[in-house]
Amino acid sequence: AQSVTQPDIHITVSEGASLELRCNYSYGATPYLFWYVQSPGQGLQLLLKYFSGDTLVQGIKGFEAEFKRSQSSFNLRKPSVHWSDAAEYFCAVGANQAGTALIFGKGTTLSVSS
Amino acid sequence: GAVVSQHPSWVICKSGTSVKIECRSLDFQATTMFWYRQFPKQSLMLMATSNEGSKATYEQGVEKDKFLINHASLTLSTLTVTSAHPEDSSFYICSGQGGPAGELFFGEGSRLTVL
Repeated sequence: AQSVTQPDIHITVSEGASLELRCNYSYGATPYLFWYVQSPGQGLQLLLKYFSGDTLVQGIKGFEAEFKRSQSSFNLRKPSVHWSDAAEYFCAVGANQAGTALIFGKGTTLSVSS
Repeated sequence: GAVVSQHPSWVICKSGTSVKIECRSLDFQATTMFWYRQFPKQSLMLMATSNEGSKATYEQGVEKDKFLINHASLTLSTLTVTSAHPEDSSFYICSGQGGPAGELFFGEGSRLTVL
């Protein structure tokens, strides 16, 4: 079955500390992977995506993610977290095919402490 | 980047009434529109997939007679929640697929509250 697992429901990180949000996927076809961020009451903002090529992907706001096929993982990282990064983060997987929707993980809530 | 505009952002209605949510692709042609539903503190669950000019394909457990989806043009898809009840209160998000790379673009979401 196709699925995305985000093992951590809630993470608290001190401001300035590094961050890693975990994402594992199960997908039958070649996966295209995404990370989105959602602030309360808002829509989704794309942080980064992986289609092919370099397995370390750079995104906006200083985020990066690494695709590891052997581990079926696509973990999101940031070297130094800012208070404004507090939000809900969703990992998603899809296929580069017309008519194929994204499958989302359950999300990880990031809190930033001062 | 491409923009998908969703309207209204917020809507409050009485139980038993119908509510229409619009999703427009402003600068690309969305050959496919996806409609998601998100309950508080939960993930996005796909409700249905619609292709322009065709009937929508609904996910298991989604009532097609309750959630009417129309995709009459390449730039507009609508979701109508018919005879809304409090349990239909949720955050609804559309996603258009199109453009040269067939990428997905999300609307800002519509929060429906049924009293």
